[in-house]
Amino acid sequence: DADVTQTPRNRITKTGKRIMLECSQTKGHDRMYWYRQDPGLGLRLIYYSFDVKDINKGEISDGYSVSRQAQAKFSLSLESAIPNQTALYFCATSDRSDRDTQYFGPGTRLTVL
Amino acid sequence: EDQVTQSPEALRLQEGESSSLNCSYTVSGLRGLFWYRQDPGKGPEFLFTLYSAGEEKEKERLKATLTKKESFLHITAPKPEDSATYLCAVQVLGYQKVTFGTGTKLQVIP
Repeated sequence: DADVTQTPRNRITKTGKRIMLECSQTKGHDRMYWYRQDPGLGLRLIYYSFDVKDINKGEISDGYSVSRQAQAKFSLSLESAIPNQTALYFCATSDRSDRDTQYFGPGTRLTVL
Repeated sequence: EDQVTQSPEALRLQEGESSSLNCSYTVSGLRGLFWYRQDPGKGPEFLFTLYSAGEEKEKERLKATLTKKESFLHITAPKPEDSATYLCAVQVLGYQKVTFGTGTKLQVIP
């Protein structure tokens, strides 16, 4: 089984809908991250969490919220989806003992119509 | 503003034809420079972290080097399985933010 899993892998939704993307990891890492990837822009950090009680905004957090339900689970929510949130979303993890090595999930392709 | 520029955008090589990918950066204070490989439909896979000018790291056919302004990813005698998009990223001292480049798409032809 994959160490970092994301669900769903693909999602098509409509403007204004609430969407939740989920990430689970079996690596035992304390740090988790959410990124989005857009063509021509590179990966950008949305939110990150260094432990269950620690949540931090990244570069582009507006329009998004997160929940760290457990050390192994980190969810990203779009409260009211808009078309410019159409992108590829990645979850990543790292461990405090080797914080520079991030392990990415397979991604969720989100389309907002 | 922190900037990362990767070149070329795309590179096509014959199997065995060595080459280099470039990552030039402008940051206020570099904490680390990272290289990732990304295959189609997958998340990035970590390759290297470089921390200071002059540092080099190797993994199989890949060798990453760092100067004060840029990093190179040298690919020696590439094979078709090296085909992927290679991403470069930098992190500034004192900040969690990592700035990614847009990548170089490498195709190695048998």
